[in-house]
Amino acid sequence: EVQLVESGGGLVQPGGSLRLSCAASGFTFSSYEMNWVRQAPGKGLEWVSYISSSGSTIYYADSVKGRFTISRDNAKNSLYLQMNSLRAEDTAVYYCAREHTSTMTTVTVGAFDIWGQGTMVTVSS
Amino acid sequence: VIWMTQSPSLLSASTGDRVTISCRMSQGISSYLAWYQQKPGKAPELLIYAASTLQSGVPSRFSGSGSGTDFTLTISCLQSEDFATYYCQQYYSFPPSFGPGTKVDIK
Repeated sequence: EVQLVESGGGLVQPGGSLRLSCAASGFTFSSYEMNWVRQAPGKGLEWVSYISSSGSTIYYADSVKGRFTISRDNAKNSLYLQMNSLRAEDTAVYYCAREHTSTMTTVTVGAFDIWGQGTMVTVSS
Repeated sequence: VIWMTQSPSLLSASTGDRVTISCRMSQGISSYLAWYQQKPGKAPELLIYAASTLQSGVPSRFSGSGSGTDFTLTISCLQSEDFATYYCQQYYSFPPSFGPGTKVDIK
């Protein structure tokens, strides 16, 4: 079964750090581009970050650039998101999501065909 | 940045109804559009990509149409499991972005 499982969420104070992990199974992880997408409580979806299959290309949303770092370990079938200098507005459910190969473009990030169950990050004092 | 609107924001319908949701772009995006379904407490699920291509495993009662700036998601015969929130997403330009969502609830 194709599956993504996130972990690492929790309660953190403003200015603090957190590292999210996403474990992939059921597919050849090293062949796929991966992303993080978040959803604030009661709000819509916001794309956060992208990493290419090899890890050589990385993109960030302006809202997290300079504070978040995406990485992957293909040997461990794992995706990561290091979140520093956290703010209240970063409070959200964070999903890892696989890019659909049929929607890949050279200009932007495509659609997302597999999603994890999400992990909640709460930034509050 | 491409601005996206969805209408209606809330749609009350009954099982068996034909339902149509609209997604409009601030600029043309050809057919680089996807639709997702999200149920409470669950992750989104991809329904349609390339504006009209049904994702594998998605029931045929779902269909998508449109190109350029105006797109439509249609559910031909609403089932009980279809009550959810639906989002469109453009992947024509960077950054990829989502519409604000349309909640389909029980009339």
